[in-house]
Amino acid sequence: QKEVEQNSGPLSVPEGAIASLNCTYSDRVSQSFFWYRQYSGKSPELIMSIYSNGDKEDGRFTAQLNKASQYVSLLIRDSQPSDSATYLCAVNRGDTGFQKLVFGTGTRLLVSP
Amino acid sequence: NAGVMQNPRHLVRRRGQEARLRCSPMKGHSHVYWYRQLPEEGLKFMVYLQKENIIDESGMPKERFSAEFPKEGPSILRIQQVVRGDSAAYFCASSPPQRVNTDTQYFGPGTRLTVL
Repeated sequence: QKEVEQNSGPLSVPEGAIASLNCTYSDRVSQSFFWYRQYSGKSPELIMSIYSNGDKEDGRFTAQLNKASQYVSLLIRDSQPSDSATYLCAVNRGDTGFQKLVFGTGTRLLVSP
Repeated sequence: NAGVMQNPRHLVRRRGQEARLRCSPMKGHSHVYWYRQLPEEGLKFMVYLQKENIIDESGMPKERFSAEFPKEGPSILRIQQVVRGDSAAYFCASSPPQRVNTDTQYFGPGTRLTVL
């Protein structure tokens, strides 16, 4: 079992719809969670971080964390074609004394006009 | 306010040559992380450094790979005697010195290494 699992996609949604991206992780000691967006050929760009159970909203983005189910999700409201990218879920176990991120392989999102 | 800088952006080497990848962290950041991204794969942690110290290199291959972050100058990832399997994008990230477990890592643009 991979430490961080994501559906590779592609996830196709029409413009204006809600895109829902999911991520599960295996290690219960994980403490902090991140969503990065990566355009093809570019570097990862941080979208959201979340540390506590529940929802965290930032503009069109909402991150959801459920530590009991070991599940993190990212909702993108009013999806735009410019949101088309690969979304990487990253988890920091927090037991190493530093931020050692483990990344999923990413979910490719396609937003059609 | 410059972000994380990496150079070169593209590097072509023949098998057996050495590759040197450089990373300058964001201003005020003293923690540097190196990741490798193979084609169609996720980012894999390689090494975490602070100034003049390697803190964790558990993700780095035991042979041919080394990293340093000297007191002055950029962090260097060095790959000796490159092989075709080393072809990948190498990303550097940095974070500030406080609250290490929760602080955000900011990524540089990456160096794309191609081994012929």
